[in-house]
Amino acid sequence: KNQVEQSPQSLIILEGKNCTLQCNYTVSPFSNLRWYKQDTGRGPVSLTIMTFSENTKSNGRYTATLDADTKQSSLHITASQLSDSASYICVVSALSGTYKYIFGTGTRLKVLA
Amino acid sequence: GAVVSQHPSRVICKSGTSVKIECRSLDFQATTMFWYRQFPKQSLMLMATSNEGSKATYEQGVEKDKFLINHASLTLSTLTVTSAHPEDSSFYICSANLAGLNEQFFGPGTRLTVL
Repeated sequence: KNQVEQSPQSLIILEGKNCTLQCNYTVSPFSNLRWYKQDTGRGPVSLTIMTFSENTKSNGRYTATLDADTKQSSLHITASQLSDSASYICVVSALSGTYKYIFGTGTRLKVLA
Repeated sequence: GAVVSQHPSRVICKSGTSVKIECRSLDFQATTMFWYRQFPKQSLMLMATSNEGSKATYEQGVEKDKFLINHASLTLSTLTVTSAHPEDSSFYICSANLAGLNEQFFGPGTRLTVL
């Protein structure tokens, strides 16, 4: 069964600190993996996208890694800001004729001043 | 580019009424649109896949007669929640697939509250 699991479920950090969010997946055959940021009451916004052959992708203070062998990904946030408070969702696409996304459970991040 | 809008952003209705939510791709043509539902503190759950000019494909457990989807053009899909009940209260999000690409662009969501 295609699944995407994330940890931790929630996280609280102080402003300026770094943090790393984890994503494990069992989707096969794998096409690509995306990290999204979702502010409360808003739609998801794409942060990074990685294909099978990519190990790392950066977008400003966000750096995503991918290990296709162990089927794990991480999202590292550097020098966190209050505006980083949001849910972060790992989404995996399978190689198929449809464009369906398989969503992770999400990590709720709270950055405190 | 690749902007998706939803209207309304928020709606409150009485139990038993029908509510229509619009999803538009503003600057691109979307052959496929997706409708999701998200309950508090949960991730997005796919309800149905909508292809322009054809019937929508519903996920298991989603009532097609309750959640009517129309995708009449390449830039517009609508979701109508018929005879809404309080348990239908949720955050509804659409996404549009840029033709030829495995990429979904999400709308800002619609908060539905059924009293």
